[in-house]
Amino acid sequence: DIVMTQAPLSLSVTPGQPASISCKSSQSLLSSDGKTFLYWYLQKPGQSPQLLIYEASNRFSGVPDRFSGSGSGTDFTLRISRVEAEDVGVYYCMHSIQFPRTFGQGTKVEIK
Amino acid sequence: EVQLVESGGGLVQPGGSLRLSCAASGFTFSNYWMTWVRQTPGKGLEWVADINRDGSNTYYVESAKGRFTISRDNAKNTLFLQMNSLRDEDTAVYHCARGVSYWGQGTLVTVSS
Repeated sequence: DIVMTQAPLSLSVTPGQPASISCKSSQSLLSSDGKTFLYWYLQKPGQSPQLLIYEASNRFSGVPDRFSGSGSGTDFTLRISRVEAEDVGVYYCMHSIQFPRTFGQGTKVEIK
Repeated sequence: EVQLVESGGGLVQPGGSLRLSCAASGFTFSNYWMTWVRQTPGKGLEWVADINRDGSNTYYVESAKGRFTISRDNAKNTLFLQMNSLRDEDTAVYHCARGVSYWGQGTLVTVSS
């Protein structure tokens, strides 16, 4: 199984400041068709996870442009350009290049 | 608007069975792979099973193989997860999802004597 490792596991951010989360996979997530099967989710308190970024760098429908994803192969980063209060929650990365899909441990983001 | 509403969770004894359902609306159900994911405070998020668009192919996490069965009824826009031989470690909130995109709120399964 592919192991997904996130860092840091918690983050305290001042509103308006940037934040970034790392996700590393134990195998490459690049498929033969050129797509990279890495996804980022945010689980806000009391809610189910919501998709932010698909295929490593594509913002999902309705996601604010302060969120961006980058990376390739086995190293990926989610960046929030200016954190807002509504961004608190737990962020997860997940791969879907093969079964079983696996998730990172989650990064808890709070506001200072 | 995409909506996924799970039901069927509850308290069950070890060795028992439960059938979860997920009612889908707001999209053409038969056009999408569907997924079950579970969440526990201790283990975080764990992918459980996937089913392709017509139900002809299914995939499971190792711990679910031989005990869980994912299925779908495209005429009724409903996804199912039949869970047999339940164990304490199956205790979790079970979410259905439209592939990797939209998730339901989940239904709680508690396995305990």
